[in-house]
Amino acid sequence: GQNIDQPTEMTATEGAIVQINCTYQTSGFNGLFWYQQHAGEAPTFLSYNVLDGLEEKGRFSSFLSRSKGYSYLLLKELQMKDSASYLCAVTDSNYQLIWGAGTKLIIKP
Amino acid sequence: ETGVTQTPRHLVMGMTNKKSLKCEQHLGHNAMYWYKQSAKKPLELMFVYNFKEQTENNSVPSRFSPECPNSSHLFLHLHTLQPEDSALYLCASSQPEREGTGELFFGEGSRLTVL
Repeated sequence: GQNIDQPTEMTATEGAIVQINCTYQTSGFNGLFWYQQHAGEAPTFLSYNVLDGLEEKGRFSSFLSRSKGYSYLLLKELQMKDSASYLCAVTDSNYQLIWGAGTKLIIKP
Repeated sequence: ETGVTQTPRHLVMGMTNKKSLKCEQHLGHNAMYWYKQSAKKPLELMFVYNFKEQTENNSVPSRFSPECPNSSHLFLHLHTLQPEDSALYLCASSQPEREGTGELFFGEGSRLTVL
């Protein structure tokens, strides 16, 4: 079956760096997404990786290794507003989007 | 208005009620989706519409009935629901992947409680 694994919950300190990992087993691969979802709000698009390597966008970066079925989202200079759930999703060979259960990130002062 | 708008934001209904969820997108997208989000579970795709035609029905029980009158509006009609149907129902829209990454734009969801 198809599966996306990410940690259920992580805690980090304001101003620090945190890495949220995502591993996937899917039938084919056509891209990997990261979304951010604050409590009670809509998920919003953060990043998209289709080739191996690191994509940087301000304080957030996303990395992909297709051979390892692995991605991570790196958040730098953490702010309290970064407390949210982070959803990893992979598009398979049929362009179906397979979702992880999300990682709840708690930022402490 | 911009983005994807869902109404109502909260809904409480009994198992014998009939209600509808509404979604409207002002992004000019041609694909619209219904997802179910339950606590600590992955998003579950329910229905997909492309150019008003249903292209995906992910084995959803018939007590959920979608309707897409045009590319900007999507409804989810609910009847004789079960308590386990209580969840956040998210609507999303996108452009075809050939026109970009195919990223989804979500509404803020309708929180449904079935008593």
